Amino acid sequence: LAKTTQPISMDSYEGQEVNITCSHNNIATNDYITWYQQFPSQGPRFIIQGYKTKVTNEVASLFIPADRKSSTLSLPRVSLSDTAVYYCLVGATIYNQGGKLIFGQGTELSVKP
Amino acid sequence: GAVVSQHPSRVICKSGTSVKIECRSLDFQATTMFWYRQFPKQSLMLMATSNEGSKATYEQGVEKDKFLINHASLTLSTLTVTSAHPEDSSFYICSARDVTGQGDTEAFFGQGTRLTVV
Repeated sequence: LAKTTQPISMDSYEGQEVNITCSHNNIATNDYITWYQQFPSQGPRFIIQGYKTKVTNEVASLFIPADRKSSTLSLPRVSLSDTAVYYCLVGATIYNQGGKLIFGQGTELSVKP
Repeated sequence: GAVVSQHPSRVICKSGTSVKIECRSLDFQATTMFWYRQFPKQSLMLMATSNEGSKATYEQGVEKDKFLINHASLTLSTLTVTSAHPEDSSFYICSARDVTGQGDTEAFFGQGTRLTVV
């Protein structure tokens, strides 16, 4: 499974846009890119998933360049409640490794007032 | 959306006893479930993959005789921590996916179980 590299932590202020970049140089052709959010003492929650170009939902946007060796999660106008750990996962497809998800270190986002 | 329910959410047990944690998919059939362990300030570590009707597949370094996994139905998987010791104290999280369909599906996670062994 492709290994991912993310910043360990990021700080932001309420109302700002936050961009978290994830590197995945060894991504395979069949791999999807998936982002999860985790609050303390809770299970991770799905945010967004993409394969290439741009994906947007009501929560976030995901930008994936043509070479797919990196991806950027964009959170518009963050609030205090967006303080959490964000995980980038690659290879989260049913065709890879029986569908299992391997988590990297994640990015701890701290949003300040 | 799909829901995965984990029970109990918190448990305290004495050293040497066994603890069972349940993971249920409430509105879909989970042919595959996953069990993770998470220590404070660390990421989730995959322990094992649980397949309905067959033996679980354990990740390297995870003792299968200590962490017993049973996936007897398409909606229920259980993790039993046998002869628990204080070092087994951790946050245990299950996840479920339906891997029988076409295309990719997101994984749904339970709310986690905080195990404290005293």
